[in-house]
Amino acid sequence: ILNVEQSPQSLHVQEGDSTNFTCSFPSSNFYALHWYRWETAKSPEALFVMTLNGDEKKKGRISATLNTKEGYSYLYIKGSQPEDSATYLCAFVAGANSKLTFGKGITLSVRP
Amino acid sequence: DAGITQSPRHKVTETGTPVTLRCHQTENHRYMYWYRQDPGHGLRLIHYSYGVKDTDKGEVSDGYSVSRSKTEDFLLTLESATSSQTSVYFCAISRRAIWDYGYTFGSGTRLTVV
Repeated sequence: ILNVEQSPQSLHVQEGDSTNFTCSFPSSNFYALHWYRWETAKSPEALFVMTLNGDEKKKGRISATLNTKEGYSYLYIKGSQPEDSATYLCAFVAGANSKLTFGKGITLSVRP
Repeated sequence: DAGITQSPRHKVTETGTPVTLRCHQTENHRYMYWYRQDPGHGLRLIHYSYGVKDTDKGEVSDGYSVSRSKTEDFLLTLESATSSQTSVYFCAISRRAIWDYGYTFGSGTRLTVV
């Protein structure tokens, strides 16, 4: 079973703060890395799918980077807003015919 | 979520009874997945399908079976429900191979086994 670690487990920030999360995964046999945003009482929504070392993706105030050689991805939120409060999941794909293995998620709470 | 629905949304059942959860999609996606979500574990794959009548096991498949007789429907059956199967179950679909596109998830089914 693959080990996908996310840190920190939870985070409480003030509105306007910028924040970042880490997703660590095995560096061997890398195929893809997904980020999802999961709001309470809703279902997870895909943010980014990253496949190449050095990939950087951006969607509004949220961006992500990927380092496949050392096995980590960062998710950044610039100027956090209360509506950014959610759980952020990363998921790792090892090998072409593999499935997603999810981390346990990072719960972000943004105080107005 | 648009294009993918799960039923029922909530169910309470007794230990030892069979239970079937349904995932229905209107997106004509080839790949479908069943996950369970438990505190402290995140999302864990139960079974998945890569086409009609083509299914395979995930990491927590014991006590579960699946069927996919049509592209649009993926059924998850708990053959004899146990309390350890109390969980929230999510179905997901994917247009192409998993490395190209993110998954689209259903709204979840909350199952309680008493």
